[in-house]
Amino acid sequence: DAGVIQSPRHEVTEMGQEVTLRCKPISGHNSLFWYRQTMMRGLELLIYFNNNVPIDDSGMPEDRFSAKMPNASFSTLKIQPSEPRDSAVYFCASKLIGDEQYFGPGTRLTVT
Amino acid sequence: AQSVTQPDIHITVSEGASLELRCNYSYGATPYLFWYVQSPGQGLQLLLKYFSGDTLVQGIKGFEAEFKRSQSSFNLRKPSVHWSDAAEYFCAVARSNDYKLSFGAGTTVTVRA
Repeated sequence: DAGVIQSPRHEVTEMGQEVTLRCKPISGHNSLFWYRQTMMRGLELLIYFNNNVPIDDSGMPEDRFSAKMPNASFSTLKIQPSEPRDSAVYFCASKLIGDEQYFGPGTRLTVT
Repeated sequence: AQSVTQPDIHITVSEGASLELRCNYSYGATPYLFWYVQSPGQGLQLLLKYFSGDTLVQGIKGFEAEFKRSQSSFNLRKPSVHWSDAAEYFCAVARSNDYKLSFGAGTTVTVRA
């Protein structure tokens, strides 16, 4: 299996631009998680889905952030407009009910 | 709500020496506990997990962890460290295996020759 796939691996954008991060979970997995990692705040859960339905989005920082999972094999995390404080590594993870979470390699976002 | 404290930000250990990373959790009921490792530029990989049963848990790469309810701890150990163990280690807690994880701040391990 290819594991969790995230794209792009690196993204540099200017403040105010829209950013879309993509995640392809492991085939057959029915839960998907978006995390953000920064030096100041560590690893934070932003949102997670079960069977494509958002279950808990309490970690989403503000309305500039949105996440979708239109089908079982694809999810996006969008930031509009982006700000320098959004610079971080964003991880996607997927799992089967009762199993462990498998993490993707992450997307390093830099907002200038 | 559950939370995790990893008291050590950075640990340096000699190759071949033993390693112990501390983790203290806060949760009212029996927690689900995890240790993850993150190599530079990589995602997180699960080392081991504890749900119930034997309080000494064996994981991958020669790691083990011991759950001590009385101390609210879940410390990670390895008897003999290899240079490839240099990484960042995260302890995490959840209220069930299918619930969201709360991570500690992480401990960076440096291995010197």
